[in-house]
Amino acid sequence: DADVTQTPRNRITKTGKRIMLECSQTKGHDRMYWYRQDPGLGLRLIYYSFDVKDINKGEISDGYSVSRQAQAKFSLSLESAIPNQTALYFCATSDLVAGGGETQYFGPGTRLLVL
Amino acid sequence: AQSVTQPDIHITVSEGASLELRCNYSYGATPYLFWYVQSPGQGLQLLLKYFSGDTLVQGIKGFEAEFKRSQSSFNLRKPSVHWSDAAEYFCAVGISNSGYALNFGKGTSLLVTP
Repeated sequence: DADVTQTPRNRITKTGKRIMLECSQTKGHDRMYWYRQDPGLGLRLIYYSFDVKDINKGEISDGYSVSRQAQAKFSLSLESAIPNQTALYFCATSDLVAGGGETQYFGPGTRLLVL
Repeated sequence: AQSVTQPDIHITVSEGASLELRCNYSYGATPYLFWYVQSPGQGLQLLLKYFSGDTLVQGIKGFEAEFKRSQSSFNLRKPSVHWSDAAEYFCAVGISNSGYALNFGKGTSLLVTP
Protein backbone atom coordinates (compact mmCIF):
# COMPACT_ATOMS: atom_id res chain seq x y z
CA ASP A 1 0.00 0.00 0.00
CA ALA A 2 1.12 3.52 -0.72
CA ASP A 3 2.52 5.53 2.16
CA VAL A 4 0.85 8.78 1.05
CA THR A 5 -2.59 8.60 -0.50
CA GLN A 6 -4.74 11.32 -1.99
CA THR A 7 -8.43 11.29 -2.73
CA PRO A 8 -9.96 11.87 -5.15
CA ARG A 9 -7.39 11.30 -7.90
CA ASN A 10 -9.40 13.29 -10.39
CA ARG A 11 -12.19 15.80 -9.89
CA ILE A 12 -14.24 18.06 -12.08
CA THR A 13 -16.23 20.81 -10.41
CA LYS A 14 -17.96 24.07 -11.27
CA THR A 15 -17.07 27.61 -10.41
CA GLY A 16 -18.32 28.58 -6.95
CA LYS A 17 -18.51 25.05 -5.59
CA ARG A 18 -16.80 24.00 -2.39
CA ILE A 19 -14.42 21.10 -2.77
CA MET A 20 -12.19 19.18 -0.42
CA LEU A 21 -9.07 17.23 -1.30
CA GLU A 22 -7.87 14.70 1.22
CA CYS A 23 -4.47 13.34 2.08
CA SER A 24 -3.60 10.45 4.36
CA GLN A 25 -0.23 9.03 5.30
CA THR A 26 0.98 5.91 7.04
CA LYS A 27 4.58 7.05 7.44
CA GLY A 28 4.03 8.45 10.92
CA HIS A 29 5.41 11.82 9.91
CA ASP A 30 4.52 14.99 11.78
CA ARG A 31 4.97 17.37 8.87
CA MET A 32 2.57 17.60 5.96
CA TYR A 33 2.39 19.92 2.96
CA TRP A 34 0.10 20.87 0.12
CA TYR A 35 1.49 22.00 -3.24
CA ARG A 36 -0.05 22.80 -6.58
CA GLN A 37 1.59 22.17 -9.91
CA ASP A 38 0.91 24.22 -13.01
CA PRO A 39 2.57 23.63 -16.38
CA GLY A 40 5.78 25.61 -16.66
CA LEU A 41 5.62 26.80 -13.05
CA GLY A 42 6.83 23.80 -11.10
CA LEU A 43 5.30 23.17 -7.69
CA ARG A 44 4.26 25.94 -5.36
CA LEU A 45 3.54 25.65 -1.66
CA ILE A 46 -0.03 26.31 -0.50
CA TYR A 47 -0.03 25.33 3.19
CA TYR A 48 2.11 23.32 5.56
CA SER A 49 1.65 21.83 8.99
CA PHE A 50 4.26 20.82 11.54
CA ASP A 51 1.75 19.01 13.71
CA VAL A 52 -1.96 18.95 14.42
CA LYS A 53 -1.92 22.32 16.16
CA ASP A 54 0.54 24.08 13.87
CA ILE A 55 -0.65 25.20 10.44
CA ASN A 56 1.07 27.79 8.28
CA LYS A 57 0.41 29.58 5.02
CA GLY A 58 2.65 28.99 2.09
CA GLU A 59 3.41 31.03 -0.98
CA ILE A 60 -0.05 30.86 -2.54
CA SER A 61 -2.63 30.29 0.23
CA ASP A 62 -5.29 32.75 -0.98
CA GLY A 63 -8.50 30.93 -1.88
CA TYR A 64 -7.53 27.81 0.05
CA SER A 65 -7.94 26.53 3.59
CA VAL A 66 -6.69 23.41 5.34
CA SER A 67 -7.56 21.15 8.20
CA ARG A 68 -5.23 18.81 10.07
CA GLN A 69 -7.67 16.34 11.53
CA ALA A 70 -5.01 14.01 12.89
CA GLN A 71 -1.33 13.36 12.49
CA ALA A 72 -2.10 11.20 9.48
CA LYS A 73 -4.67 13.41 7.74
CA PHE A 74 -4.36 16.81 6.10
CA SER A 75 -7.20 18.17 3.97
CA LEU A 76 -7.19 21.03 1.51
CA SER A 77 -10.40 22.95 0.80
CA LEU A 78 -11.38 25.33 -1.94
CA GLU A 79 -14.24 27.27 -0.42
CA SER A 80 -15.44 28.69 -3.72
CA ALA A 81 -13.59 27.17 -6.63
CA ILE A 82 -12.52 29.32 -9.58
CA PRO A 83 -11.13 28.25 -12.95
CA ASN A 84 -7.57 29.38 -12.23
CA GLN A 85 -7.45 26.81 -9.44
CA THR A 86 -7.42 24.14 -12.11
CA ALA A 87 -4.15 22.32 -11.40
CA LEU A 88 -2.50 19.18 -10.15
CA TYR A 89 -2.40 19.12 -6.36
CA PHE A 90 0.19 17.20 -4.37
CA CYS A 91 0.33 16.31 -0.72
CA ALA A 92 3.69 15.55 0.86
CA THR A 93 4.95 14.40 4.24
CA SER A 94 8.30 14.62 5.96
CA ASP A 95 10.02 14.15 9.27
CA LEU A 96 13.02 16.01 10.58
CA VAL A 97 16.02 13.73 10.87
CA ALA A 98 18.89 13.86 13.31
CA GLY A 99 21.48 16.36 12.19
CA GLY A 100 18.97 18.45 10.34
CA GLY A 101 17.37 18.23 6.97
CA GLU A 102 14.41 16.21 5.92
CA THR A 103 13.07 14.43 2.89
CA GLN A 104 9.58 14.93 1.54
CA TYR A 105 7.55 12.07 0.18
CA PHE A 106 4.79 12.87 -2.26
CA GLY A 107 1.38 11.42 -2.88
CA PRO A 108 0.21 10.56 -6.40
CA GLY A 109 -1.58 13.86 -6.89
CA THR A 110 -5.15 15.03 -7.46
CA ARG A 111 -6.00 16.47 -10.85
CA LEU A 112 -8.64 19.18 -10.43
CA LEU A 113 -10.57 20.87 -13.21
CA VAL A 114 -12.77 23.85 -12.38
CA LEU A 115 -15.24 24.74 -15.11
CA ALA B 1 15.14 36.93 -3.44
CA GLN B 2 15.49 33.22 -2.84
CA SER B 3 15.09 31.24 -6.02
CA VAL B 4 15.77 27.98 -7.82
CA THR B 5 16.56 28.12 -11.51
CA GLN B 6 16.54 25.33 -14.03
CA PRO B 7 17.80 27.08 -17.17
CA ASP B 8 16.71 24.41 -19.62
CA ILE B 9 12.98 23.97 -20.14
CA HIS B 10 13.43 21.12 -22.62
CA ILE B 11 16.38 18.84 -23.34
CA THR B 12 16.63 16.16 -25.99
CA VAL B 13 19.29 13.45 -25.85
CA SER B 14 19.88 10.26 -27.75
CA GLU B 15 19.54 6.98 -25.94
CA GLY B 16 22.93 5.97 -24.60
CA ALA B 17 24.25 9.52 -24.52
CA SER B 18 25.26 11.29 -21.35
CA LEU B 19 22.97 13.76 -19.62
CA GLU B 20 23.43 16.82 -17.47
CA LEU B 21 20.53 18.84 -16.11
CA ARG B 22 21.39 22.17 -14.59
CA CYS B 23 20.14 23.68 -11.35
CA ASN B 24 21.20 26.92 -9.73
CA TYR B 25 19.92 28.35 -6.48
CA SER B 26 20.05 31.65 -4.71
CA TYR B 27 20.00 31.42 -0.93
CA GLY B 28 21.88 32.97 1.92
CA ALA B 29 23.10 29.73 3.44
CA THR B 30 23.80 26.26 2.18
CA PRO B 31 20.39 24.79 1.57
CA TYR B 32 19.20 21.24 1.45
CA LEU B 33 19.06 20.16 -2.19
CA PHE B 34 16.94 17.60 -3.98
CA TRP B 35 16.21 16.22 -7.41
CA TYR B 36 12.81 14.71 -8.12
CA VAL B 37 11.54 13.00 -11.27
CA GLN B 38 7.96 12.99 -12.52
CA SER B 39 7.02 10.50 -15.18
CA PRO B 40 4.00 11.30 -17.34
CA GLY B 41 0.82 11.12 -15.27
CA GLN B 42 2.73 10.18 -12.16
CA GLY B 43 3.66 11.75 -8.86
CA LEU B 44 7.13 12.85 -7.82
CA GLN B 45 9.84 10.37 -7.02
CA LEU B 46 12.97 11.36 -5.13
CA LEU B 47 16.12 10.73 -7.14
CA LEU B 48 18.70 12.00 -4.68
CA LYS B 49 19.38 14.59 -2.01
CA TYR B 50 22.22 16.56 -0.49
CA PHE B 51 22.26 17.65 3.13
CA SER B 52 25.96 17.81 3.95
CA GLY B 53 29.23 15.94 3.52
CA ASP B 54 30.45 14.55 0.23
CA THR B 55 29.45 16.95 -2.52
CA LEU B 56 28.96 14.17 -5.06
CA VAL B 57 25.81 12.25 -4.23
CA GLN B 58 24.54 9.08 -5.79
CA GLY B 59 20.88 8.44 -6.37
CA ILE B 60 18.56 5.87 -7.80
CA LYS B 61 18.37 4.80 -11.45
CA GLY B 62 22.05 5.57 -12.03
CA PHE B 63 21.79 9.32 -11.42
CA GLU B 64 24.27 11.44 -9.53
CA ALA B 65 24.51 15.11 -8.65
CA GLU B 66 27.31 17.37 -7.58
CA PHE B 67 26.94 20.29 -5.19
CA LYS B 68 29.24 23.17 -6.06
CA ARG B 69 29.06 25.86 -3.44
CA SER B 70 31.15 28.36 -5.43
CA GLN B 71 28.73 28.14 -8.34
CA SER B 72 25.53 27.71 -6.27
CA SER B 73 24.76 24.73 -8.43
CA PHE B 74 23.48 21.21 -8.01
CA ASN B 75 23.57 19.63 -11.46
CA LEU B 76 22.15 16.20 -12.15
CA ARG B 77 24.07 13.75 -14.34
CA LYS B 78 23.73 10.33 -15.85
CA PRO B 79 26.43 8.71 -17.99
CA SER B 80 24.09 6.80 -20.30
CA VAL B 81 20.45 7.68 -20.74
CA HIS B 82 17.75 5.06 -21.25
CA TRP B 83 14.47 5.64 -23.04
CA SER B 84 12.65 5.15 -19.71
CA ASP B 85 14.39 8.25 -18.35
CA ALA B 86 12.11 10.47 -20.41
CA ALA B 87 10.27 12.52 -17.80
CA GLU B 88 10.16 15.90 -16.11
CA TYR B 89 12.93 16.62 -13.63
CA PHE B 90 12.64 19.07 -10.78
CA CYS B 91 15.37 20.55 -8.67
CA ALA B 92 14.22 21.65 -5.22
CA VAL B 93 15.68 23.48 -2.28
CA GLY B 94 14.63 23.03 1.34
CA ILE B 95 13.79 26.33 2.98
CA SER B 96 14.53 26.37 6.68
CA ASN B 97 12.19 29.21 7.52
CA SER B 98 9.11 27.27 6.41
CA GLY B 99 9.79 23.96 7.97
CA TYR B 100 11.92 22.88 5.06
CA ALA B 101 9.06 23.15 2.64
CA LEU B 102 10.50 22.81 -0.80
CA ASN B 103 11.06 25.59 -3.26
CA PHE B 104 10.96 24.00 -6.71
CA GLY B 105 12.48 24.97 -9.97
CA LYS B 106 10.13 25.08 -12.94
CA GLY B 107 11.36 21.76 -14.24
CA THR B 108 13.25 20.39 -17.22
CA SER B 109 11.46 18.10 -19.63
CA LEU B 110 13.71 15.34 -20.96
CA LEU B 111 13.04 13.71 -24.30
CA VAL B 112 15.04 10.63 -25.26
CA THR B 113 15.38 9.78 -28.93
CA PRO B 114 16.28 6.37 -30.36
